[in-house]
Amino acid sequence: DQQVKQNSPSLSVQEGRISILNCDYTNSMFDYFLWYKKYPAEGPTFLISISSIKDKNEDGRFTVFLNKSAKHLSLHIVPSQPGDSAVYFCAASAISGGSNYKLTFGKGTLLTVNP
Amino acid sequence: GAVVSQHPSWVICKSGTSVKIECRSLDFQATTMFWYRQFPKQSLMLMATSNEGSKATYEQGVEKDKFLINHASLTLSTLTVTSAHPEDSSFYICSARGPGTDEQFFGPGTRLTVL
Repeated sequence: DQQVKQNSPSLSVQEGRISILNCDYTNSMFDYFLWYKKYPAEGPTFLISISSIKDKNEDGRFTVFLNKSAKHLSLHIVPSQPGDSAVYFCAASAISGGSNYKLTFGKGTLLTVNP
Repeated sequence: GAVVSQHPSWVICKSGTSVKIECRSLDFQATTMFWYRQFPKQSLMLMATSNEGSKATYEQGVEKDKFLINHASLTLSTLTVTSAHPEDSSFYICSARGPGTDEQFFGPGTRLTVL
């Protein structure tokens, strides 16, 4: 049972345009969401997070939007750069539920930014 | 800061042997460490959570006698894959969380190939 779903295995965008990566979740106990970027044969690196008390968090070119009623979040990258090409993982945690910060990951979306 | 290392980065072993993977937090004390496994084109699946000085908590379906986890100090956790078989071949990633933070810092991963 996939509690965090990234339904697009890949996405290709042109340099300078916006990249939108989507993520859906089913567990209503999740209250903290994160996006990680991962290159092949490396561990994930943290990008940006959002708490369920917010609906938007912005950090430079990266913005995460959270729609709790739809159990959906998205990561916007604008403008996209070739160096953004990587696999992006959505992850969720139920912090207030005492989960010990355990993360549940989606399968990832491979973003390719073409020059 | 917040660097997590893993050793070895890759290992090839014969079926039936045991393999130990180390995870170290280099510049912070990790009160909690997590071990994940990732199969090709799949999400990172949490295997177990370990708190320093106590027994690891394993996720459902993960054999504790096969995947031995030791978190003897605040900077080191080890995962030993005992009697490894080809189906154990995977990418093993650890993460560490320091006190007073929600964030997990990931190691670079260890590629295990069992022949």
